[in-house]
Amino acid sequence: QVQLQESGPGLVKPSETLSLICNVSGGSISGYQWSWLRQAPGKGVEWIAYVSYSGSTNYIPSLKSRVTISIDKSKNLFSLKMTSVTAADTAIYFCAGYEMQYGYFDPWGQGTLVTVSS
Amino acid sequence: DIQMTQSPSSLSASVGDRVAITCRASQSISTYLSWYQQKPGKAPKLLIYTTSTLQRGVPSRFSGSGSGTQFTLTISSLQPEDFATYFCQQSYNTRFTFGPGTTVDIK
Repeated sequence: QVQLQESGPGLVKPSETLSLICNVSGGSISGYQWSWLRQAPGKGVEWIAYVSYSGSTNYIPSLKSRVTISIDKSKNLFSLKMTSVTAADTAIYFCAGYEMQYGYFDPWGQGTLVTVSS
Repeated sequence: DIQMTQSPSSLSASVGDRVAITCRASQSISTYLSWYQQKPGKAPKLLIYTTSTLQRGVPSRFSGSGSGTQFTLTISSLQPEDFATYFCQQSYNTRFTFGPGTTVDIK
């Protein structure tokens, strides 16, 4: 079965760029819309973006100006870049596969905590 | 964007209780509604999709119902491993949104 593993810096300074990678293993990268979501401490889940196998993308409007999602099919991974981060971007970031036919997110990675602080 | 709300925000229940959690959408989403369970420090786990379809491996004590703007997740007989936070998610459009969650804890 498909498994996802996020990697990222853990700590990012305000105004800098956050870069996250999600490694996809155990199955084909072609079967899902690959997504990033986040969950601020004690808060609900917020979907950020997805990228398809073909490279088409979709972003939440509130973050669209700061976020870029991309896919590297040769390495079976997809990534997220978020510019000009602030403390409000502190959250656990999850990567997940979005199943388009039935509209759900599964599988999920374990999540990686990103703290924005100087 | 479609706003999702849940009620109650938290509830206390005992093992064996029947529990119902409500999710409401700010506009009709047909049956494009999924439910997830999340335990502390873990990723969300898919329970139900398209309102009432049980994900493979999820116990049959979980069920979902509803359509349009009001949906319900029911746990027929609460088990110790079910104490967790539950939230809903709409996929009516591709600006996916999630409910704020309902925490089920031990009475």
